Amino acid sequence: QKEVEQNSGPLSVPEGAIASLNCTYSDRGSQSFFWYRQYSGKSPELIMSIYSNGDKEDGRFTAQLNKASQYVSLLIRDSQPSDSATYLCAVTSTSGTYKYIFGTGTRLKVLA
Amino acid sequence: DAGVIQSPRHEVTEMGQEVTLRCKPISGHNSLFWYRQTMMRGLELLIYFNNNVPIDDSGMPEDRFSAKMPNASFSTLKIQPSEPRDSAVYFCASSFSVGELFFGEGSRLTVL
Repeated sequence: QKEVEQNSGPLSVPEGAIASLNCTYSDRGSQSFFWYRQYSGKSPELIMSIYSNGDKEDGRFTAQLNKASQYVSLLIRDSQPSDSATYLCAVTSTSGTYKYIFGTGTRLKVLA
Repeated sequence: DAGVIQSPRHEVTEMGQEVTLRCKPISGHNSLFWYRQTMMRGLELLIYFNNNVPIDDSGMPEDRFSAKMPNASFSTLKIQPSEPRDSAVYFCASSFSVGELFFGEGSRLTVL
């Protein structure tokens, strides 16, 4: 079982719709969770961080964390073509040392 | 504020040559990470440092890879000798403790 799992996609949504991206993780002790956006040929860019159960909103983005079920999700409201990118979920591991483990990413396509 | 600075941005070399990648973390950050990204394997953690000390190098593929952090503002990742399978994008990232992780623009390595 991979430590952080994401559906590779592509996830296609029409412009203006809500895009829902999901991530599950295996380390129950994980404390910090992050979503990154990566455009083709560019470096990962931090979008959201979340540390406690529940929702956290920032503009069009909402991160949701459920530690009991070990999943974290990202909602993008009013999706725009410029949101088309790969979205990476990252989780800090507590197995002896703190390090950031990334999922393989979900490719999002927003259709104009 | 300056972000994480990596050099070179692109490196093309021949098999067997030594490659040195460089990184300057964000000032004030005390953790530095080296990642490698390929289409097949995604973003893999190679090694990370905390307060200039290597904490976890379990991701370093083999003895051909080495990394150093002689001071808080500089780190190197060296591959000697390089092989075609080392071709990838190498990212350096830094954080303060287990807070938000910020990436450099990456070094794209091609080994012929």
